[in-house]
Amino acid sequence: GENVEQHPSTLSVQEGDSAVIKCTYSDSASNYFPWYKQELGKGPQLIIDIRSNVGEKKDQRIAVTLNKTAKHFSLHITETQPEDSAVYFCAADDQAGTALIFGKGTTLSVSS
Amino acid sequence: DAGVTQSPTHLIKTRGQQVTLRCSPKSGHDTVSWYQQALGQGPQFIFQYYEEEERQRGNFPDRFSGHQFPNYSSELNVNALLLGDSALYLCASSLVGQVGAGELFFGEGSRLTVL
Repeated sequence: GENVEQHPSTLSVQEGDSAVIKCTYSDSASNYFPWYKQELGKGPQLIIDIRSNVGEKKDQRIAVTLNKTAKHFSLHITETQPEDSAVYFCAADDQAGTALIFGKGTTLSVSS
Repeated sequence: DAGVTQSPTHLIKTRGQQVTLRCSPKSGHDTVSWYQQALGQGPQFIFQYYEEEERQRGNFPDRFSGHQFPNYSSELNVNALLLGDSALYLCASSLVGQVGAGELFFGEGSRLTVL
């Protein structure tokens, strides 16, 4: 079935460093790839997304890259801050385009 | 502008019981999806409701059922609860059914514990 693999499962960085999270997906029909941030006790919040006709997208300190041929996409956070500490999830849309398939998440810890 | 609201926030049930969770979508949204998030895992799609009908369903048994009302709010019902149903249940709303066509907004979830 459709699957999204995410790694690493945990990531610890120093404040100011960069963080990279990588995901691979199995369904070549996927066209939409969002990234969500989930803080403790909260629901996931969209931080950036990319569609299959775009290779890279940037929003301030956050960027996402997509390689459709290799079926992988990555989240890049530069100049990390303690408030970036959270669980990050990648996702891909399913064949019908109505549901998201999520990775298992990456717990990012930024220490000052 | 109120976002997606869910109730209750926490609840405890025993095996075999039934539970109903409620969701009000973000203002202006007409599509509601439900996801189950087990501890340490990513959310898993349960089903999506649009125009008061179940449009798509994930890999969940018939014990999981739902409903959407004319005001677009929604309920998730789980019968014959199992220990494995313990999870955070997330409601998400959007303006259209296609996830890539518009942002999916999540509520803060209902934490269900089955003893």
